[in-house]
Amino acid sequence: DGGITQSPKYLFRKEGQNVTLSCEQNLNHDAMYWYRQDPGQGLRLIYYSQIVNDFQKGDIAEGYSVSREKKESFPLTVTSAQKNPTAFYLCASSSISGALTDTQYFGPGTRLTVL
Amino acid sequence: AQSVTQLDSQVPVFEEAPVELRCNYSSSVSVYLFWYVQYPNQGLQLLLKYLSGSTLVESINGFEAEFNKSQTSFHLRKPSVHISDTAEYFCAVRRMDSSYKLIFGSGTRLLVRP
Repeated sequence: DGGITQSPKYLFRKEGQNVTLSCEQNLNHDAMYWYRQDPGQGLRLIYYSQIVNDFQKGDIAEGYSVSREKKESFPLTVTSAQKNPTAFYLCASSSISGALTDTQYFGPGTRLTVL
Repeated sequence: AQSVTQLDSQVPVFEEAPVELRCNYSSSVSVYLFWYVQYPNQGLQLLLKYLSGSTLVESINGFEAEFNKSQTSFHLRKPSVHISDTAEYFCAVRRMDSSYKLIFGSGTRLLVRP
């Protein structure tokens, strides 16, 4: 069963702590993405990666870090430098064949709450 | 730069009534257009997309959207909604020369009442 998994579903963190959100896909997609969703707002791109060992900042990368050591995995670390980390985090993936059919598919999300 | 506007933050309708969720975009280059649906505490699911060809695109669950280039719109419609359609709907665009960057609207919450 192909898809994207994110864990955990809910995550609580104390202020000043770093926390890592997991994202795994078995769709054989080259590109992976991290978005942040806040109430009443659309999704905003944090980081994306089109190939292993390479990634680029999105629109709101400050306070976040990523790694892409394997094609299937794209973990996101929310650092203590992120001033307002409470949000719903969504991971996505897509092929990058350049075909019109390249579509981003989303995981179920992780809800992070900073206490 | 691209932007997407969904003017209605919430649309309440009665079951079996028709509904239209509005989406307008701004872009200096040609774009592809998407509608995603999000059920509570879940990720986004692709509902339908316009890439090329016929300007009217349909989904398997009765939704349709029409690309209007002159009005830069991609409104989502359904002639008769069900309780199960209650969800948040996001319109998004992607530049034709880019495979990665989706620009999302702020979303419209569709609330279907019995």
